[in-house]
Amino acid sequence: EDKVVQSPLSLVVHEGDTVTLNCSYEVTNFRSLLWYKQEKKAPTFLFMLTSSGIEKKSGRLSSILDKKELFSILNITATQTGDSAVYLCASYNFGNEKLTFGTGTRLTIIP
Amino acid sequence: GAGVSQSPRYKVAKRGQDVALRCDPISGHVSLFWYQQALGQGPEFLTYFQNEAQLDKSGLPSDRFFAERPEGSVSTLKIQRTQQEDSAVYLCASSLEGGANGYTFGSGTRLTVV
Repeated sequence: EDKVVQSPLSLVVHEGDTVTLNCSYEVTNFRSLLWYKQEKKAPTFLFMLTSSGIEKKSGRLSSILDKKELFSILNITATQTGDSAVYLCASYNFGNEKLTFGTGTRLTIIP
Repeated sequence: GAGVSQSPRYKVAKRGQDVALRCDPISGHVSLFWYQQALGQGPEFLTYFQNEAQLDKSGLPSDRFFAERPEGSVSTLKIQRTQQEDSAVYLCASSLEGGANGYTFGSGTRLTVV
């Protein structure tokens, strides 16, 4: 059975800190890994990673995939209170169109 | 429309009642997905449509759950004889085609069964 595991489950830091969120996966026919931010109900797309070692960056957020060790990290630098959310990672596999999500990391930024 | 629209936003149902949840995808999006998100968990796949064809319903937890998309646009997720364990947020998502480039999610319907 496909499995996506995120750590930590929750994280509380002060504004301005840098955080690293982890996602490991054990899936068959892996195609890509996706990161979403969920503030209230609708997850919003952040990154899709398909190749190892290529960092994707958007402002203060960046992410990278390691297909040999089967994990990805999401980095957020100079955190702001607006970064408080649940961050979800999900695997997308060949052979079907569904995403398999992890439980998420709840990030809280204290002003 | 500009985004994926779901209604109602909140639904409280008495145990045993039938409910119908609506999803209006982004105009022109071929693929439509339903996910169930229990409190403190990640979304879990329920079912997938390409146009009006339901290509994968492997995630539907029981035969009380039924989804349709008769004209390849709006979709309805129906839950018959609701039970307390059905309480969750039901998320709909759509994409131009498949999941290869991620989806756009709606804000969901929070179902509470009492």
